[in-house]
Amino acid sequence: GAGVSQSPRYKVAKRGQDVALRCDPISGHVSLFWYQQALGQGPEFLTYFQNEAQLDKSGLPSDRFFAERPEGSVSTLKIQRTQQEDSAVYLCASSLLNTGELFFGEGSRLTVL
Amino acid sequence: QKEVEQNSGPLSVPEGAIASLNCTYSDRVSQSFFWYRQYSGKSPELIMSIYSNGDKEDGRFTAQLNKASQYVSLLIRDSQPSDSATYLCAVTTSGSRLTFGEGTQLTVNP
Repeated sequence: GAGVSQSPRYKVAKRGQDVALRCDPISGHVSLFWYQQALGQGPEFLTYFQNEAQLDKSGLPSDRFFAERPEGSVSTLKIQRTQQEDSAVYLCASSLLNTGELFFGEGSRLTVL
Repeated sequence: QKEVEQNSGPLSVPEGAIASLNCTYSDRVSQSFFWYRQYSGKSPELIMSIYSNGDKEDGRFTAQLNKASQYVSLLIRDSQPSDSATYLCAVTTSGSRLTFGEGTQLTVNP
């Protein structure tokens, strides 16, 4: 596609529910990143994929967070048993190679009630 | 100490002035440095990258890097109201991670 596509754009979940956020990167982009951005803060790194391999997941805040990219293209970020502190915008970004020149999607805004 | 630190602002300048945004980083082995712009309610977009000491100019934007001082800056000349946004400094740190600062909110007043 022309850009990074994320869905859903907005998600409201009750505390304790599981959510899944999808990212469709730019075609041909090898690297894919997930970031979490709280209001008024900079993006915080969650995890990084190169093709289907998850090379760094050190930013995932707890074992309730899980990400996958099984075929090296679309990625899913799953959050189990959501908590209020999980409320944030989840940004997906891709790059042709891991050069730091990232193209971001519009984000998925998660609100946990 | 945070890995990437920016003046949180907000920074306010009049239209036509030079806006100066500053960033320091802690990891001496960092090699790549970026400035992203984020409009309110939108996602970040890359505006400048710099990899070696000195200045890099692109239109009204100039990025400056001083690795000895672990300092990166962004100058915006002839600031326009459309430049009003949050500017995020980003640095490649350990492994393949791109680490962002908290951002500096810039307002350009007509």
